[in-house]
Amino acid sequence: SYVLTLPPSVSVAPGETSTITCGGNNIGSKIVHWYQQKPGQGPVLVIYHDTDRPSGIPERFSGSNSGNTATLTISRVEAGDEADYYCQVWDSTSDHYVFGAGTKVTVL
Amino acid sequence: EVQLVESGGVVVRPGGSLRLSCAASGFTFDDNAMNWVRQPPGKGLEWVSLISWDGGTTYYADSVKGRFTISRDNSKNSLYLQMNSLRVEDTALYYCAKGAGSYAYFDYWGQGTLVTVSS
Repeated sequence: SYVLTLPPSVSVAPGETSTITCGGNNIGSKIVHWYQQKPGQGPVLVIYHDTDRPSGIPERFSGSNSGNTATLTISRVEAGDEADYYCQVWDSTSDHYVFGAGTKVTVL
Repeated sequence: EVQLVESGGVVVRPGGSLRLSCAASGFTFDDNAMNWVRQPPGKGLEWVSLISWDGGTTYYADSVKGRFTISRDNSKNSLYLQMNSLRVEDTALYYCAKGAGSYAYFDYWGQGTLVTVSS
C-alpha cells in the first residue's frame, strides 16, 4: 500500500517560515491535500489539490508537489499555527485514502 | 453552515458490536460521498471507510474490512457505521467527514465520537 512520510516534529520561531515535507513514491503524480488539527478539535482542511486554499485559510499557507515530495509552507508563523499537520492522498491502486503519520509544529 | 454531528460512541467489550451515526446538515447530503476516519488516542488519522452519494459504492480500510459496514440514509441526511467483532485496537475517536472532489479529500469534519473497546 502507498506510504506517506512526514517528519514527527518541526519547530519554528514566530515570524519565520515553516516547511513540512511529505514524502511518497512519485507523489508528484498524485494530488495532495493537507489538514491542520489543533488539540481537542477535528481536522481542518488547509490546502487541497496540491496548492489551493479553502476560503478562510490565510494566504500564509501554501503548498507544492513535485517528484517524490509534497510541501506545506507556513509563512510568517504565528502562535496560533501550533498544531498537528497531515498530508493525504487518494491511492487509486488500492481505492484507499492514505494519511501521513502527522507532523507536530511547535512555535517557539 | 455545514454541520456533522457524530453519536453512538461508548465503551464496549472485545468481540462486541456498535453502530455509529452521523447527522449532516447545511449541504445537499445526497450530492456527496461520505467517510469515516478514526484517530486512536494520541495517534494520527486513519481512514476507515467511504460510501458514494447513492450508497452504490463502498470501500474499506484493510484493518476493518469484513467487520465494519458503512451505510447511509439520504432521506434522513444520515451516515452510519456498523462495527462488529470489535477489537482493542479499534479504540479511537471516530470522525464523520464529507467527501469532496472525485474521491479526493475531506472538506468538512465532525467533532468525533469516542469508541473504547476494553474488557
